[in-house]
Amino acid sequence: GESVGLHLPTLSVQEGDNSIINCAYSNSASDYFIWYKQESGKGPQFIIDIRSNMDKRQGQRVTVLLNKTVKHLSLQIAATQPGDSAVYFCAESGYSTLTFGKGTMLLVSP
Amino acid sequence: DTAVSQTPKYLVTQMGNDKSIKCEQNLGHDTMYWYKQDSKKFLKIMFSYNNKELIINETVPNRFSPKSPDKAHLNLHINSLELGDSAVYFCASSQETSGRPDEQYFGPGTRLTVT
Repeated sequence: GESVGLHLPTLSVQEGDNSIINCAYSNSASDYFIWYKQESGKGPQFIIDIRSNMDKRQGQRVTVLLNKTVKHLSLQIAATQPGDSAVYFCAESGYSTLTFGKGTMLLVSP
Repeated sequence: DTAVSQTPKYLVTQMGNDKSIKCEQNLGHDTMYWYKQDSKKFLKIMFSYNNKELIINETVPNRFSPKSPDKAHLNLHINSLELGDSAVYFCASSQETSGRPDEQYFGPGTRLTVT
């Protein structure tokens, strides 16, 4: 299930489940959005991006959905694997820099 | 063939000291960044820099200064270190397309501990 802990929201799933990580962004002028994955001790790594002229984009096992009406972004991971365990960040950009969201920790149990 | 590299990976120092963190990218990107990640994993942009302009997050103390000897390097100098500067610092780079940022590539991070 999903919970809000003292620091990071955490989503715990079983291996093989589908995971959905949500993000609310703040700037209605933002037109570019990215999801990053950060494993322990490493820098954030690009997963998938989407521009505001789209509402859905698919990659390998991942799908990003964008709802501009409610300023909501989601990342869906199909058939989640233990290697997907990490902190996931959404980021938005309106012009020159990216603004990162708070991050969600995904924990995948075998 | 590391894309974005940072040195050192760990840095432990005392309050009041001055230190530098180095960053190099071999991607040919024209824009580089420094981020600070606190203990709650919150990532905050500190600087973005390309050959045209330096954009500074106004909340960053002026004890922090970026220095770019060339397009492939953006070093971070920190003067008079304080306990609150303890964090992980990430360098990143990207290529602007038509004046807009594309995806950013991050370095492995430098964990700074101020004692």
